[in-house]
Amino acid sequence: GQSLEQPSEVTAVEGAIVQINCTYQTSGFYGLSWYQQHDGGAPTFLSYNGLDGLEETGRFSSFLSRSDSYGYLLLQELQMKDSASYFCAVRDYGQNFVFGPGTRLSVLP
Amino acid sequence: KAGVTQTPRYLIKTRGQQVTLSCSPISGHRSVSWYQQTPGQGLQFLFEYFSETQRNKGNFPGRFSGRQFSNSRSEMNVSTLELGDSALYLCASSPRGQETQYFGPGTRLLVL
Repeated sequence: GQSLEQPSEVTAVEGAIVQINCTYQTSGFYGLSWYQQHDGGAPTFLSYNGLDGLEETGRFSSFLSRSDSYGYLLLQELQMKDSASYFCAVRDYGQNFVFGPGTRLSVLP
Repeated sequence: KAGVTQTPRYLIKTRGQQVTLSCSPISGHRSVSWYQQTPGQGLQFLFEYFSETQRNKGNFPGRFSGRQFSNSRSEMNVSTLELGDSALYLCASSPRGQETQYFGPGTRLLVL
């Protein structure tokens, strides 16, 4: 089966940089996506890596290394509004979507 | 463009009943996926529909079913509800050929 692993919680202060890791065991997938979900809200798309390397979107960057079965989401210049849960996700070659368990980020003043 | 909409937003049912949830995707999106989200199990994939056909299905019992209409609107049905079916049910739509999913606000189902 497919499985994604993420740290359950991460805490950082405003203005800092935080990295949320995602390691996976899957036979094959098209790309690694990241989603943000605030309490009581729906997941919203942040970033997608179809190829190995770094993708940058404003304060958010995402990285994928298929050879290392590893990816991460990098959040820079943290703001209080970044406090949320972050999920990595893949669509495997069986066309199923698999989400990681989520990382709860708390940004402190 | 309007986002993904889901109805109803909240629902209370009792064990043994059945429920139907509705999802309207973003205009032009033909792929619709359904997820169950619970604190213990996280986001779990239920099934995906594309052009009125179920493309794939997650590891859920046959009590969970769905369909998609010609206008891409989708419904999911859960029969013989169990307490463990209490969850947030999310629908997401995707543009053709893209991995990005756009989620609706969800339907929060409580089974008593």
